[in-house]
Amino acid sequence: EAGVVQSPRYKIIEKKQPVAFWCNPISGHNTLYWYLQNLGQGPELLIRYENEEAVDDSQLPKDRFSAERLKGVDSTLKIQPAELGDSAVYLCASSLVHSGEQFFGPGTRLTVL
Amino acid sequence: DAKTTQPPSMDCAEGRAANLPCNHSTISGNEYVYWYRQIHSQGPQYIIHGLKNNETNEMASLIITEDRKSSTLILPHATLRDTAVYYCIVRLPNNNDMRFGAGTRLTVKP
Repeated sequence: EAGVVQSPRYKIIEKKQPVAFWCNPISGHNTLYWYLQNLGQGPELLIRYENEEAVDDSQLPKDRFSAERLKGVDSTLKIQPAELGDSAVYLCASSLVHSGEQFFGPGTRLTVL
Repeated sequence: DAKTTQPPSMDCAEGRAANLPCNHSTISGNEYVYWYRQIHSQGPQYIIHGLKNNETNEMASLIITEDRKSSTLILPHATLRDTAVYYCIVRLPNNNDMRFGAGTRLTVKP
């Protein structure tokens, strides 16, 4: 069974440029999460979807970050414009609804120059 | 949700048991204890969870004290591939909110 797929694995951009990350969750998982992980810290939740509905986006900086999950499957996280402080690993995870067992993708490492 | 406290780092000799402690003194009666680990350059991986009773699976054992204020994750025979950051998390049932702290960096040495 395929795990959570993320792309790209690495992205280097200059500040003020836009960037997008893509996630394909495990088949049948209706809950999808985007996390941000800074160096030396644990992942921090940005947004959680149940099917196509964003049910928790309280930690998403909405001035520059946006996300969508069309048809309740794949999801895209976008940053526009990127800032130096956005350099981090962006992790996507999926799970069955209300399950504490989340399955994580390998993450996208973003470097903003 | 209750917060957890873990030592920032630990070492363990290869082949020996690794015992990773976690303090969750403010845990409420219906909160579960979850453990995840994150190997370098990978996403976190679920290990085990429990409520009151000790739990064991193919990866590890979870020992929860009777007062539930602390727990220990046990890797019975640590290998070099167990080197990772281990996260202890407390979570309400039916709540998808998983709050990761800084975890414990376990280094298994030959």
